[in-house]
Amino acid sequence: NAGVTQTPKFQVLKTGQSMTLQCAQDMNHNSMYWYRQDPGMGLRLIYYSASEGTTDKGEVPNGYNVSRLNKREFSLRLESAAPSQTSVYFCASSYSGTGNQPQHFGDGTRLSIL
Amino acid sequence: QKEVEQDPGPLSVPEGAIVSLNCTYSNSAFQYFMWYRQYSRKGPELLMYTYSSGNKEDGRFTAQVDKSSKYISLFIRDSQPSDSATYLCAVLIKAAGNKLTFGGGTRVLVKP
Repeated sequence: NAGVTQTPKFQVLKTGQSMTLQCAQDMNHNSMYWYRQDPGMGLRLIYYSASEGTTDKGEVPNGYNVSRLNKREFSLRLESAAPSQTSVYFCASSYSGTGNQPQHFGDGTRLSIL
Repeated sequence: QKEVEQDPGPLSVPEGAIVSLNCTYSNSAFQYFMWYRQYSRKGPELLMYTYSSGNKEDGRFTAQVDKSSKYISLFIRDSQPSDSATYLCAVLIKAAGNKLTFGGGTRVLVKP
């Protein structure tokens, strides 16, 4: 009963390094999302993929890229990490990208950029 | 101004008390209203969602929406130490897809 799996769970990077955060879901969901969570800010949407083959920007996309590899996997890439990208990153999925389909979250990747 | 405002807490209550959590939102176009619970070092999990003004009850949890005041609430009756977590409200506009806008979260501590 895995649900949404994120790897790695923790990572420390130096400024300027690149990294890809991985996310996979086993619920046959069509839509997937990447959020970042900062103290007092709640979760903010970075990118989402309403269905396989499509991706769109969310509220805070600058400095990130995404790839919807297949229906199960959605990765988030930091090309040149900056200290402002220190955060906890959550991946989520839902059955569809329309209406009010509940989103199911992974347990996050804690990323520190020095 | 944030689209969804939520008191960050922490809110400390004795076991058995009623926990009262609130959010206000600014955009009257929001149609769906959700509450998520997040334990430390875990992802958020959906507790309740509703789309109409009024109350919705599920066990010890009651969600309340007042669209005229742009105010949403969550009440937890007979609170337990296991209810200690951060509670996040979230809203969405159906026509904009399934993109949630979250409040900042309220930390709740239920003391035995």
